[in-house]
Amino acid sequence: DAKTTQPTSMDCAEGRAANLPCNHSTISGNEYVYWYRQIHSQGPQYIIHGLKNNETNEMASLIITEDRKSSTLILPHATLRDTAVYYCIVRGGPGGSQGNLIFGKGTKLSVKP
Amino acid sequence: DTGVSQDPRHKITKRGQNVTFRCDPISEHNRLYWYRQTLGQGPEFLTYFQNEAQLEKSRLLSDRFSAERPKGSFSTLEIQRTEQGDSAMYLCASSHRTGGFNEQFFGPGTRLTVL
Repeated sequence: DAKTTQPTSMDCAEGRAANLPCNHSTISGNEYVYWYRQIHSQGPQYIIHGLKNNETNEMASLIITEDRKSSTLILPHATLRDTAVYYCIVRGGPGGSQGNLIFGKGTKLSVKP
Repeated sequence: DTGVSQDPRHKITKRGQNVTFRCDPISEHNRLYWYRQTLGQGPEFLTYFQNEAQLEKSRLLSDRFSAERPKGSFSTLEIQRTEQGDSAMYLCASSHRTGGFNEQFFGPGTRLTVL
């Protein structure tokens, strides 16, 4: 599975968009980008995933560059409850690998009032 | 609540003792995963089951660790002769592999402290 690089921490003002970057320059053609987050004292929570196209769901949007070497998770209107560690994970597609997730250290997002 | 549950939530033990943790996955989820998380780090994969079969074990899972999922429902993780380095949060997750994307749902974890 490809390695990912994320900033250690970021701040965001409440109500503003939070843009979390992730570099995955060694990603291969069949690998997806997944985002999970972990709120303090809880288990990780799935947010979104994508292969090539930009994706949007009720929680966030995922923008993947055309060369797929980087991506950005966007929380459009961050709230205090979005304060968490956000993990960008790259691994094989849904029908492929055994499914275990390889987490890095993630980005600690602090949403401030 | 129909999410993944783990028991106990906290465990304090003395070095050398054995401990056992339990995970109850979401009903009908056929995959179950164990991860370990130390302070300031992301979770690290330990092992996973598809139904009752243990399909993969990480090299992090030493001989002192054993996991079971006897009837393909709940799972237990046992650590024998605990060491201080075993102190961590132990997370369980489950998913339903259907051939499509299998989002993993995590439990709240069991925090182990070895004195």
